[in-house]
Amino acid sequence: SYALTQPPSMSVSPGQTASITCSGDNLGNKYISWFQQKPGQSPVLVIYRNAKRPSGIPERFSGSNSGNTATLTISGTQAMDEADYYCQTWDSSSANYVFGTGTKVTVL
Amino acid sequence: QVQLVESGGGVVQPGTSLRLSCVASGFTFSYYGMHWVRQAPGKGLEWVAVMSYDESDKLYTDSVKGRFTISRDISEKTLYLQMNSLRAEDTGVYYCAKDYSDNYVMDVWGQGTTVTVSS
Repeated sequence: SYALTQPPSMSVSPGQTASITCSGDNLGNKYISWFQQKPGQSPVLVIYRNAKRPSGIPERFSGSNSGNTATLTISGTQAMDEADYYCQTWDSSSANYVFGTGTKVTVL
Repeated sequence: QVQLVESGGGVVQPGTSLRLSCVASGFTFSYYGMHWVRQAPGKGLEWVAVMSYDESDKLYTDSVKGRFTISRDISEKTLYLQMNSLRAEDTGVYYCAKDYSDNYVMDVWGQGTTVTVSS
């Protein structure tokens, strides 16, 4: 089955840029979405179709997808961005929606 | 605004059944596909099932095929997940989520309901 791999954790200083990667076979041929999940809360969609932001999502969130790697970039990271982030795609071969392994982002 | 409210979770023994419900409001329920996604304690997100807007497609992750059934009642604006032959590994928070049409993603999530399968 199709798998998406993310680094388990990363840390970033306030105001700096955080880049979260998501790797999968020929991932650039698929649409990638990204979710933010804070402790005890439901996931929130922050990026879909590789680089589109839903209404209400700050411009500091951006996305890209090419080759075997997709990247969620948080520019000017704020303390409120501390959360778990999951990438997600649709795998037509298995007819499954697939989530990445998740990355815990710490802002310190 | 768009809202999804899940219910029906609880503590059950292995091998038994449970039915989860998700009441939708703020959008035309019959126009959208709907998903169930779960999260085991301290673990990541796992997609469970999806129903297309017209019910023509119902897809499941391999681990629940033959045991779980997704369905809906349009008049009640309610999505269901019938879970049979429950296993310990089915334990977790179950979220319903609205499909973001043609974008292969879920755009609105409920608050989740907790299922614990334990003897």
